Amino acid sequence: DGGITQSPKYLFRKEGQNVTLSCEQNLNHDAMYWYRQDPGQGLRLIYYSQIVNDFQKGDIAEGYSVSREKKESFPLTVTSAQKNPTAFYLCASSIKAGDSYEQFFGPGTRLTVL
Amino acid sequence: DQQVKQNSPSLSVQEGRISILNCDYTNSMFDYFLWYKKYPAEGPTFLISISSIKDKNEDGRFTVFLNKSAKHLSLHIVPSQPGDSAVYFCAASARGSYIPTFGRGTSLIVHP
Repeated sequence: DGGITQSPKYLFRKEGQNVTLSCEQNLNHDAMYWYRQDPGQGLRLIYYSQIVNDFQKGDIAEGYSVSREKKESFPLTVTSAQKNPTAFYLCASSIKAGDSYEQFFGPGTRLTVL
Repeated sequence: DQQVKQNSPSLSVQEGRISILNCDYTNSMFDYFLWYKKYPAEGPTFLISISSIKDKNEDGRFTVFLNKSAKHLSLHIVPSQPGDSAVYFCAASARGSYIPTFGRGTSLIVHP
């Protein structure tokens, strides 16, 4: 079945460590995104990528890095520079529908910094 | 400054009644609007959308209404079911943009 997978579901990290969250899609979508969700907040865009080997910063990119070496994969690294990394991270991809794009989301990764 | 606002953080409705979730936007360039539904610890799923050339779009129990002059849209769920209990996000994007702006969500609780 086509879809987006994120791993792991839960992740614990010690303060000061970098950690990489995986996102894979087999929907043949060109665009991929990373969002962060905090309690009482909407989805805030971290990074997005429209094509392979190209990505753009979103609204809250500081302390994060990404790569897009393959169309199917868009891993997110949470670096030690991210001051408040504990959050629910969502990966998404999109296909054009009419004049706009509908996003398909993965199940999310809950990151907790200890 | 929030460009997409969902001013009601929560809504409680009795099963079988209508649920009305509201969303306001400020950016006049937005012309495509989407609603997503999210259960705890899961990713959002697309529910329904509407283009600015329409003022209503219906899909089963879900109807979205768009009032462009008021920069307001609403999602109606009729009849509401307990399985509809979730957080609903409103999102908007401008023509040609693949980056939607999300509201903060409204938590809907449907009581049996």
